[in-house]
Amino acid sequence: GNSVTQMEGPVTLSEEAFLTINCTYTATGYPSLFWYVQYPGEGLQLLLKATKADDKGSNKGFEATYRKETTSFHLEKGSVQVSDSAVYFCALSEGYSSASKIIFGSGTRLSIRP
Amino acid sequence: IAGITQAPTSQILAAGRRMTLRCTQDMRHNAMYWYRQDLGLGLRLIHYSNTAGTTGKGEVPDGYSVSRANTDDFPLTLASAVPSQTSVYFCASSDGARQDNEQFFGPGTRLTVL
Repeated sequence: GNSVTQMEGPVTLSEEAFLTINCTYTATGYPSLFWYVQYPGEGLQLLLKATKADDKGSNKGFEATYRKETTSFHLEKGSVQVSDSAVYFCALSEGYSSASKIIFGSGTRLSIRP
Repeated sequence: IAGITQAPTSQILAAGRRMTLRCTQDMRHNAMYWYRQDLGLGLRLIHYSNTAGTTGKGEVPDGYSVSRANTDDFPLTLASAVPSQTSVYFCASSDGARQDNEQFFGPGTRLTVL
């Protein structure tokens, strides 16, 4: 079945450091890929998405490129800020039974030190 | 615009009791979802609804039931709560059944079953 694997956390970085959170997936067909972010005490919100191979999603300085050849969707940011501290979820959606169900990875907790 | 509201915010419940978690959205989305979030497991889909009057089972439906009498409301019921249902529950909605549709999440309900 479809699945998402992302790097385990927690990840702790200093402010202005470069961030990479790895994500790989297994899916039949051509899924859409997402990164969701969950700030403390809140629900998830969409950070970025890509719907086909070689697409790059970007938002708030974060980027991820849909790599079909390596089945990956790694999240990157060139210079992180304290406000980026959150839990990040990689996810895929491959419409099934007319519902856009999403399969989530287990989440990576990111902490940024001032 | 509130988006998605959930109630209660948190609840402590004795095992064997019945509990209904409420979810209401004001975005007129036709699809709604219930997830549970457990440490290290990401989010897992419990039940979903493509449109008012229809529901479907997700990955972990046992012990839960849902109804969708109208577009806005999607309550989740635990008929007889057990300690393994201790979790954080998130309701979500999306505009349609397209696989690249963003899902919007509520703030969550933290449930503890003793």
